[in-house]
Amino acid sequence: DVKVTQSSRYLVKRTGEKVFLECVQDMDHENMFWYRQDPGLGLRLIYFSYDVKMKEKGDIPEGYSVSREKKERFSLILESASTNQTSMYLCASSFRGPEYTIYFGEGSWLTVV
Amino acid sequence: AQTVTQSQPEMSVQEAETVTLSCTYDTSENNYYLFWYKQPPSRQMILVIRQEAYKQQNATENRFSVNFQKAAKSFSLKISDSQLGDTAMYFCAFMKHGLYNFNKFYFGSGTKLNVKP
Repeated sequence: DVKVTQSSRYLVKRTGEKVFLECVQDMDHENMFWYRQDPGLGLRLIYFSYDVKMKEKGDIPEGYSVSREKKERFSLILESASTNQTSMYLCASSFRGPEYTIYFGEGSWLTVV
Repeated sequence: AQTVTQSQPEMSVQEAETVTLSCTYDTSENNYYLFWYKQPPSRQMILVIRQEAYKQQNATENRFSVNFQKAAKSFSLKISDSQLGDTAMYFCAFMKHGLYNFNKFYFGSGTKLNVKP
């Protein structure tokens, strides 16, 4: 089975802190994604990566950055956390090509106080 | 830009009955893929069913089937013989094949389904 693991399920951080959310996948997927999930808004793409060290902005990249130094690991960074970044964050991965589906991690609940 | 609309924020169904979740989308693309994902209370999202837009035949997976109306841009999910384990948030998603073989997904806002005993 494909496994996408997010290191932290629940985090509470203070405004202005730097926050790291880590994601690891074990299926040698080329593509990795970070989504944000909010009630009534569904999932919105923050950033994606199609290869090591390669990244592209999604629909809501403001206030976030990412890092992909190894193929299996994709990190989401909040440089200076703000209360409006309180949300559920979902990591996902997939092979390239339209015939492949996307696999999700269990999510990281981040509360910024 | 693509949009995906799920007009039913929450639905309930009795165990063993049938329920249909609605989804509409807007796109100018001709080749794309549509999905239904399920997110149970444990939160890990899993794929329920997938439909390629170039296929006219509706996809089915055991108790789950879709009604794909390409001209109407409608993609509804029918769950037959509902089970308690079907209780979850259901997301409709649209995917187009993009640059770098990147598959960009657009998700609806979700429908929370409660299956009652």
